[in-house]
Amino acid sequence: ETGVTQSPTHLIKTRGQQVTLRCSSQSGHNTVSWYQQALGQGPQFIFQYYREEENGRGNFPPRFSGLQFPNYSSELNVNALELDDSALYLCASSLRPNTEAFFGQGTRLTVV
Amino acid sequence: AQKITQTQPGMFVQEKEAVTLDCTYDTSDPSYGLFWYKQPSSGEMIFLIYQGSYDQQNATEGRYSLNFQKARKSANLVISASQLGDSAMYFCAMRELILTGNQFYFGTGTSLTVIP
Repeated sequence: ETGVTQSPTHLIKTRGQQVTLRCSSQSGHNTVSWYQQALGQGPQFIFQYYREEENGRGNFPPRFSGLQFPNYSSELNVNALELDDSALYLCASSLRPNTEAFFGQGTRLTVV
Repeated sequence: AQKITQTQPGMFVQEKEAVTLDCTYDTSDPSYGLFWYKQPSSGEMIFLIYQGSYDQQNATEGRYSLNFQKARKSANLVISASQLGDSAMYFCAMRELILTGNQFYFGTGTSLTVIP
């Protein structure tokens, strides 16, 4: 039991729409990272939030944005969805930015 | 250059046998951590084992051990006494503690199938 929960578990959206994915971090963890995992690939780093501030970003366009709340839960927002955004989105929480991370079960996003 | 390379897309092992999953890495950071995660079909990444770049001994966690060869930049996962429940995707990952401390680099994974 990792304690990291993500919602929803599955989602279908139409190209051009916007989507919000949510993540509740493990108790006591102030750092949340988001990853995109395309089919047959390893996860790719999107960004990290530490104490409500963005703390690093991978090679993703600005239409991928995020938030972290005072309780350290987090949202990933994706605007103007494209077909290639179809993937498993994983949230990971950690005690500090560079320590072991615990992952949630992911949100499977399908863009049609 | 790829930070993490896993060259075995798929592996098969007989139940109760041992299996080695290969991982090589590339970094110029003197301080880094190497991780292995298991991903069942449900999607969750389950942490298995960690090895720090300055650790002198190979890490072990129950049936999992990490064969760390620093000079060769390899960090192979050894699973002993395979069980049917070990069937899953396995990902090797690295975190550079100085250069880019806040993100994991993952390999493309190895699909392990345990045969009864």
